[in-house]
Amino acid sequence: AQSVTQLGSHVSVSEGALVLLRCNYSSSVPPYLFWYVQYPNQGLQLLLKYTSAATLVKGINGFEAEFKKSETSFHLTKPSAHMSDAAEYFCAVSGAETSGSRLTFGEGTQLTVNP
Amino acid sequence: ETGVTQTPRHLVMGMTNKKSLKCEQHLGHNAMYWYKQSAKKPLELMFVYNFKEQTENNSVPSRFSPECPNSSHLFLHLHTLQPEDSALYLCASSQGDGTDTQYFGPGTRLTVL
Repeated sequence: AQSVTQLGSHVSVSEGALVLLRCNYSSSVPPYLFWYVQYPNQGLQLLLKYTSAATLVKGINGFEAEFKKSETSFHLTKPSAHMSDAAEYFCAVSGAETSGSRLTFGEGTQLTVNP
Repeated sequence: ETGVTQTPRHLVMGMTNKKSLKCEQHLGHNAMYWYKQSAKKPLELMFVYNFKEQTENNSVPSRFSPECPNSSHLFLHLHTLQPEDSALYLCASSQGDGTDTQYFGPGTRLTVL
């Protein structure tokens, strides 16, 4: 079975500081990994996706994530936080071991950006 | 309209009411999903449809009844709900192969009184 663990349900950073949101996964087959962002009262928006083409994945809004197989991690980073980055972030895993396009989501990390 | 749309955006209903949530995708996808998002809990997959056929039902109570008349439309029929069913209900769609990206609608905020 697949699983995702997001370390830290709440992360707070200052505007302009580095953003680091942690995600560890468990999968018995090579995974596809995703980061989604959810702004208040909205659905989930795809930030980026890892599909084994490159271990460093660049997404929208200046975010990127690095796949590290040895650490089973897919942490999300952004060099300089902006107030508009305040939202909830979800890591998700999908793999061929499950039928259809089944995504398993982490519990989410709420990012607060302080002025 | 582009992407995935959901109506209504907000719904308040009593426990004896019957209502329906609607989802429409304009992406040419073959798979559609219903998720429940409750406060302080992970996203819960409820139903999966692939080419209009239900391929997954995650032990969802029968008071939730999905309908997928075609690959572009998905409904969630609600009847005799409980207050604990209050949540954000999200619809998503994807191409339908094993590992593709899901695109989400804005959700319907449901309150059951």
